[in-house]
Amino acid sequence: GAGVSQSPSNKVTEKGKDVELRCDPISGHTALYWYRQSLGQGLEFLIYFQGNSAPDKSGLPSDRFSAERTGGSVSTLTIQRTQQEDSAVYLCASSRWTGSGYTFGSGTRLTVV
Amino acid sequence: AQTVTQSQPEMSVQEAETVTLSCTYDTSESDYYLFWYKQPPSRQMILVIRQEAYKQQNATENRFSVNFQKAAKSFSLKISDSQLGDAAMYFCAQFFQGAQKLVFGQGTRLTINP
Repeated sequence: GAGVSQSPSNKVTEKGKDVELRCDPISGHTALYWYRQSLGQGLEFLIYFQGNSAPDKSGLPSDRFSAERTGGSVSTLTIQRTQQEDSAVYLCASSRWTGSGYTFGSGTRLTVV
Repeated sequence: AQTVTQSQPEMSVQEAETVTLSCTYDTSESDYYLFWYKQPPSRQMILVIRQEAYKQQNATENRFSVNFQKAAKSFSLKISDSQLGDAAMYFCAQFFQGAQKLVFGQGTRLTINP
């Protein structure tokens, strides 16, 4: 597609439930990134994919967080047993090469109640 | 350490005037990329301008320009002829080649007064 697409746009979930967030990058972009942005804060790196492999998972805050990417395209970020501190905007970005800068999606606003 | 610092949480400027947003970074790499992103209330992150560290010349994109001081590890953004549509959060970011990721500053909220 023309841009990075994320779904859902907004998600409200009950504490303890699992959620899946989806990212569809720009076609041909091999690198894909997930960031988290808490209210009024900067962007916190979560995970990076190059193709289907994830060389850097260092930013995942706990083992409740996992991510996968299939076919070098769509990625899913899964949060298990959600907690209130997981409430944030989750942003996905893709890039063709490392120095080109990222193209971001519009994010998923996750609210855990 | 991979850190990017924006020391101005908020800035305001009169419409049509010029404003400069500050950014400093810390890196031991000699080759890297620097970026400024804009995030309006729609929360879409928009790339404003990009600078390659090996280039001496400061990048310019229409009303947006940077002052890149490599030795001082400083990368400020100048917005000329400010417009109401420039109101947004602005994030400075550095791409670290070793870690293969962008590291962002905490952002500066820019308000444009009509």
